[in-house]
Amino acid sequence: DSGVTQTPKHLITATGQRVTLRCSPRSGDLSVYWYQQSLDQGLQFLIQYYNGEERAKGNILERFSAQQFPDLHSELNLSSLELGDSALYFCASSVEGGGGETQYFGPGTRLLVL
Amino acid sequence: AQKITQTQPGMFVQEKEAVTLDCTYDTSDQSYGLFWYKQPSSGEMIFLIYQGSYDEQNATEGRYSLNFQKARKSANLVISASQLGDSAMYFCAMTDQHDYKLSFGAGTTVTVRA
Repeated sequence: DSGVTQTPKHLITATGQRVTLRCSPRSGDLSVYWYQQSLDQGLQFLIQYYNGEERAKGNILERFSAQQFPDLHSELNLSSLELGDSALYFCASSVEGGGGETQYFGPGTRLLVL
Repeated sequence: AQKITQTQPGMFVQEKEAVTLDCTYDTSDQSYGLFWYKQPSSGEMIFLIYQGSYDEQNATEGRYSLNFQKARKSANLVISASQLGDSAMYFCAMTDQHDYKLSFGAGTTVTVRA
């Protein structure tokens, strides 16, 4: 158990819908990362937050948004869902979000868009 | 930009034998971190081992060791005394001083045979 929690574990929804994925980092970790894992794209970085502020952005679609709250939990919002958004979404956390820090991953949310 | 290459899509290993998973990387930074993660069929991403670019000794964690050859830009993972529970996908990843996100390789599937 990494100490990172993600909910829900599984999500099935329809095209055009909107969903929210939730992540709680390990106790003491200030930085949260979101990654998407799909069969065709592999593991892709989406976005990073540090202590409530966006720190880095990756291949995140405009239909996707995220935020980190004062209690450090984070939410990833996916809207106008398409079939291609079906993937495993991971949240990871680290102490301060710097290079060389180990990122610990949550169990992931498996999203299926029908 | 960072790049991680894992050339072995799949490997079979006999129980109790050692297996080496190849990873080469490319970065122009002098300071960087190399990581290995394990992803069993259940889907979670489990951190295994970390090597910093300035670490003079190869990292070891239990049955896992990292064969770090800086000049060759390689960071191979060695799993000794393989167990059935080692059957999983293994990812090599890196961060560097300009880019704190994890950049992942395509992964190598290891199947341990009894």
